[in-house]
Amino acid sequence: AQSVTQLDSHVSVSEGTPVLLRCNYSSSYSPSLFWYVQHPNKGLQLLLKYTSAATLVKGINGFEAEFKKSETSFHLTKPSAHMSDAAEYFCVVRANYGGSQGNLIFGKGTKLSVKP
Amino acid sequence: NAGVMQNPRHLVRRRGQEARLRCSPMKGHSHVYWYRQLPEEGLKFMVYLQKENIIDESGMPKERFSAEFPKEGPSILRIQQVVRGDSAAYFCASSQRTGTGVGEQYFGPGTRLTVT
Repeated sequence: AQSVTQLDSHVSVSEGTPVLLRCNYSSSYSPSLFWYVQHPNKGLQLLLKYTSAATLVKGINGFEAEFKKSETSFHLTKPSAHMSDAAEYFCVVRANYGGSQGNLIFGKGTKLSVKP
Repeated sequence: NAGVMQNPRHLVRRRGQEARLRCSPMKGHSHVYWYRQLPEEGLKFMVYLQKENIIDESGMPKERFSAEFPKEGPSILRIQQVVRGDSAAYFCASSQRTGTGVGEQYFGPGTRLTVT
């Protein structure tokens, strides 16, 4: 069975400082991994995705994530936080059924607060 | 190209009433997924449909919930005899078939159901 664990339910940073949101995954297949962002009362926006190409994945708004198989991790980082980054972030793995690609499995989310 | 559309955005029902949530996928997308987000939790998969077919309903409650995606028109998630515990945000996502399976999912803005 596949799953993701987001290690922090809430992260608080100051504007201009680095962001690190941690995620570990569990998968018996080569996983497809994603980070989504959800602003308050809004839908979800895809930040970036890993699908077994380059292990360092660059996404939108300056975010990136590194796939580390040895650590079963897919942490999300950004060098310098902006006030507009305050939102909830979800680490996601896609369920695989014998090669076909199915539904998404979400972590519980990490709320990012950015202080001025 | 319009994104995934959901309506209504907000729905209030009294206990025992029926709730109908609609999802229009992105143009060219033939796969629809429904997810539910309870307060303070991540999204949970409910059902995966293609046109006129339910592919995977492993996340659907056994009673009161049903979904369809007819040949023409939007996908409908129907909840009969709603209870307070059904209050949640319901998100729809759509994707298209690719050469290797199914592409990434694009999310709608969600329908926030409140049961009074």
